[in-house]
Amino acid sequence: DAGVIQSPRHEVTEMGQEVTLRCKPISGHDYLFWYRQTMMRGLELLIYFNNNVPIDDSGMPEDRFSAKMPNASFSTLKIQPSEPRDSAVYFCASSFGTGRGGGGTDTQYFGPGTRLTVL
Amino acid sequence: QQQVKQSPQSLIVQKGGISIINCAYENTAFDYFPWYQQFPGKGPALLIAIRPDVSEKKEGRFTISFNKSAKQFSLHIMDSQPGDSATYLCAASKSGGGATNKLIFGTGTLLAVQP
Repeated sequence: DAGVIQSPRHEVTEMGQEVTLRCKPISGHDYLFWYRQTMMRGLELLIYFNNNVPIDDSGMPEDRFSAKMPNASFSTLKIQPSEPRDSAVYFCASSFGTGRGGGGTDTQYFGPGTRLTVL
Repeated sequence: QQQVKQSPQSLIVQKGGISIINCAYENTAFDYFPWYQQFPGKGPALLIAIRPDVSEKKEGRFTISFNKSAKQFSLHIMDSQPGDSATYLCAASKSGGGATNKLIFGTGTLLAVQP
């Protein structure tokens, strides 16, 4: 299995530009998560989907951020317009089910991340 | 009540020594406590996890100790090796309902094992 695939791996853009990050989860996984990691705030959950439906977007910082999952094998995180404070590493992760091992949380598999720099 | 506090922020250990990283949580509904390992330029990967029905779980050189009454859990790395140098992230979540799989992460500990 190729694991979670993210693109691009690095993105440098100027303030005000639109940024789109892409994610392909592991085949068969029904949960998809978007995280942001910074030195100051650590790893923060932005939004997660179950069976392509957004379940919890309470971590999305503001209306400039949006996420979609049009099908089980693809998701996007869009920032429009981007700001310097959005600079971070963005991770996508996927998991299967709600606890095949006896109830609860299953392992989340993370992609390699997209390092975003907004100038 | 959703916060997970992790310490220390960074840790330097000599090869062969014991590395200890601590986490504390507030939400008593949490019932799943994983540790993730993250190498530079990579995404986090699950290292070991525990549920509150046991006080300790060991996998090779890695052990989680769990203290339910104190709402604390810790990662112990025995015989630490330079290859263990990475960032370690603790996390917590509660099972069931719409919050299933929603992990709350600590801020991470950067471990450096010196040869």
